[in-house]
Amino acid sequence: GDSVTQMEGPVTLSEEAFLTINCTYTATGYPSLFWYVQYPGEGLQLLLKATKADDKGSNKGFEATYRKETTSFHLEKGSVQVSDSAVYFCALSRNTGRRALTFGSGTRLQVQP
Amino acid sequence: DGGITQSPKYLFRKEGQNVTLSCEQNLNHDAMYWYRQDPGQGLRLIYYSQIVNDFQKGDIAEGYSVSREKKESFPLTVTSAQKNPTAFYLCATSLKGQFTGELFFGEGSRLTVL
Repeated sequence: GDSVTQMEGPVTLSEEAFLTINCTYTATGYPSLFWYVQYPGEGLQLLLKATKADDKGSNKGFEATYRKETTSFHLEKGSVQVSDSAVYFCALSRNTGRRALTFGSGTRLQVQP
Repeated sequence: DGGITQSPKYLFRKEGQNVTLSCEQNLNHDAMYWYRQDPGQGLRLIYYSQIVNDFQKGDIAEGYSVSREKKESFPLTVTSAQKNPTAFYLCATSLKGQFTGELFFGEGSRLTVL
């Protein structure tokens, strides 16, 4: 079945450091890929997405590129801020069949001033 | 305000009791979902519903039940058959039409079984 694997956290960085959170997936066909973010005390919200190979999703300084050859969708940001501290979830959806998301286990990011 | 309301935010239950978690939305979204969140395991799909009076099992439906009698409401019952019910439960919705993958989440309900 479909699955998403993320790097374990927590990831602890200093402000203005470069961020990478790894995500790889297993799925049949060509899924759409997503990053969701959960800030402390809040529900999840969509951060960015990509629907086909080589697409780059971007939002709020975060980027991720859909790499079909490596089945990956790594999240990057050039300079993190304390306000980026949250839990980040990678997810996929099939483009046919079940209309729901399959999530990874989440990676907690802690940014220190 | 438009949004998704989950209640209660915190709930304590004794073993052997059923409990129902409420999810109400006024976004006029057709699809609704229940996910369970456990530390280190991310979110796992329990049930989802694309339209009123219809719903499908997700990956971990055993020990749970749902109903979808109104578009606005998708309550989740955690039954005594659920072996390990202590978890954080998230309700979500999505727009009708082609599934874009964008889900809108409530703030969650934390269930603790004593």
